[in-house]
This record gives sequence, C-alpha cells and structure tokens, in this order.
Amino acid sequence: GQQVMQIPQYQHVQEGEDFTTYCNSSTTLSNIQWYKQRPGGHPVFLIQLVKSGEVKKQKRLTFQFGEAKKNSSLHITATQTTDVGTYFCAGPRSGNTGKLIFGQGTTLQVKP
Amino acid sequence: DAGVIQSPRHEVTEMGQEVTLRCKPISGHDYLFWYRQTMMRGLELLIYFNNNVPIDDSGMPEDRFSAKMPNASFSTLKIQPSEPRDSAVYFCASSRTGAVGTEAFFGQGTRLTVV
Repeated sequence: GQQVMQIPQYQHVQEGEDFTTYCNSSTTLSNIQWYKQRPGGHPVFLIQLVKSGEVKKQKRLTFQFGEAKKNSSLHITATQTTDVGTYFCAGPRSGNTGKLIFGQGTTLQVKP
Repeated sequence: DAGVIQSPRHEVTEMGQEVTLRCKPISGHDYLFWYRQTMMRGLELLIYFNNNVPIDDSGMPEDRFSAKMPNASFSTLKIQPSEPRDSAVYFCASSRTGAVGTEAFFGQGTRLTVV
C-alpha cells in the first residue's frame, strides 16, 4: 500500500547547527503537509506544499517539494532549543479521500 | 474557536474494563479522524468519518475497538475490553473538508494507560 517514509528517525544536534529531515512517498502526492509535535503535545500543522519543486520558508525553516512530487524536505537553519520535537510529513492517500498518510516522524533533540 | 476538544486528558484503567474516549471537533469541520500514537508504531489512523459517516475503519486494530459519531459535534472511541497493549495516546483530529490539501487540527490527546 501507499507509504510515507521519513529519515532520520532521530537527530541530535548542538544548538546553532543545521538540521534536515527527509520525506519519501511511494506514490506521487498531490500535496504534502508538515506537522510539528512538541514533547507531550499534539501535532500542529506547519505548512503545505502543492506545486512541483515548490520551496517555502518560515523564518529559519525551509520546506521543499520534489520535482516528481514524491519527496520533500524540511531544513532548519541554526537550530534553537525551541525547535525540539518530532516533525512529521503527511500526504493524502491516493483517490482524494481526505485520509492523510503520516510518516513516522523525525525526532529532533537540540543540546544547548 | 476552542479547537478540537478531547476528554479525558488522561485515563488509567484496569485490564478488561471498558474505556470511552470523547472528541468534539471544530465547528464546521466535516471530517473527523481518530489516531493512535505509540513509540513503536508512531501515528496510526484508526478510523475517520465524513459528515458523521464512517468512511474507512481499516485501521481499527480489532473488534474490541469501536467508534461512533452520532452528530457533527461529537464522536466517541470505545475499547471493550481494554488490554495493556492498548496503552497509547489517542488523538482526535478534524478538518474542514476532505479535499486535497486541507490541514488536520489535532486535539490535545487522551493518554490511556491500561494496567
């Protein structure tokens, strides 16, 4: 079945270092969404990418959608302790059913 | 809007007992999702509803799990009988439409512990 995979599963960085998580889908996606879950919290929507090759920025966060619309990445520049959490990508299941397939997430730890 | 509201926030129960989790979606959202999150399996979709009708329950682990949505503002997820392996955080989420590209709003979750 359709799968969305993320790597790495865990990442520990020193504060100030950059961080990147990658998301790969087994099928072409109409769009991809990114969510952040703080420790003990719930997933919160960050952004959605729709167009092939699209790049969007939110302050130190850069999101990219691949040309083939099967992969995506989230890059954080100069991480801060507030960036700690698990980052999920999610794509709609084929057939426009409203069902989102979530990746397993990348958990980021930032050492001050 | 208060967002998606789930209750209780924490539930500790003994094996074999019935557990009912509750969710109030955001008003006007016509899709409602129930997810389960564990360290081992990550975020799993259990079931989702569109306009109060269950659309896909293929993620429901077994017959001990059931979900209902009697009206647009309320849904329940019931586990009967509960087992220790059901211990997890259960999230409810809603979205405005099921159309491509609609973000999901998650509730705070219910942390269930079955002892």
